[in-house]
Amino acid sequence: NSKVIQTPRYLVKGQGQKAKMRCIPEKGHPVVFWYQQNKNNEFKFLINFQNQEVLQQIDMTEKRFSAECPSNSPCSLEIQSSEAGDSALYLCASSWDRYYAEQFFGPGTRLTVL
Amino acid sequence: GDSVTQTEGQVALSEEDFLTIHCNYSASGYPTLFWYVQYPGEGPQLLFRASRDKEKGSSRGFEATYDKGTTSFHLRKASVQESDSAVYYCALSDMNTEGADRLTFGKGTQLIIQP
Repeated sequence: NSKVIQTPRYLVKGQGQKAKMRCIPEKGHPVVFWYQQNKNNEFKFLINFQNQEVLQQIDMTEKRFSAECPSNSPCSLEIQSSEAGDSALYLCASSWDRYYAEQFFGPGTRLTVL
Repeated sequence: GDSVTQTEGQVALSEEDFLTIHCNYSASGYPTLFWYVQYPGEGPQLLFRASRDKEKGSSRGFEATYDKGTTSFHLRKASVQESDSAVYYCALSDMNTEGADRLTFGKGTQLIIQP
């Protein structure tokens, strides 16, 4: 069973509102990934961290999305101004190694933008 | 870019039937291949992975063999159970591309097992 904790499980926002979700990676895992899973079950990589440093992020996250993984605090993903197209399941995964280790996924935060 | 194509939509079987879910990949390098399973309300869980040609991954009665010649990694199980009902994803990570650490997923196959 996954030990990656994501909160909240469900989030409902109006268009233009901020939406913030959190992730506590599995203990001892320095690498954190965020993925978006849309209603068609398609996954999109958003951003990843090693310890507190951003490794890579796609263009989408550079504009309206912000994310951080501060030391001794949960990681977070925030959408500054939500749009209807942002409605999706946001999955956090953690790993003990960037390239070779299994990614363990949390249950996700389901965002609905009305 | 890299991509994964798997059996689309739903596969409906009865208990004890044989399962095959097809997975083919396209990658510029020599990818690691994965099968993940996702149950309702949960994130994907790794079933198993394989990193080399002819390597077989297996778990919980499921298995798949990495075939570089046919760029395939088909999931099979000899006798499915109702508890196997879930969505199955084939995925890859490709060390030779930018973003080698991220997973590229197929679109998922929903397996429905009727008792």
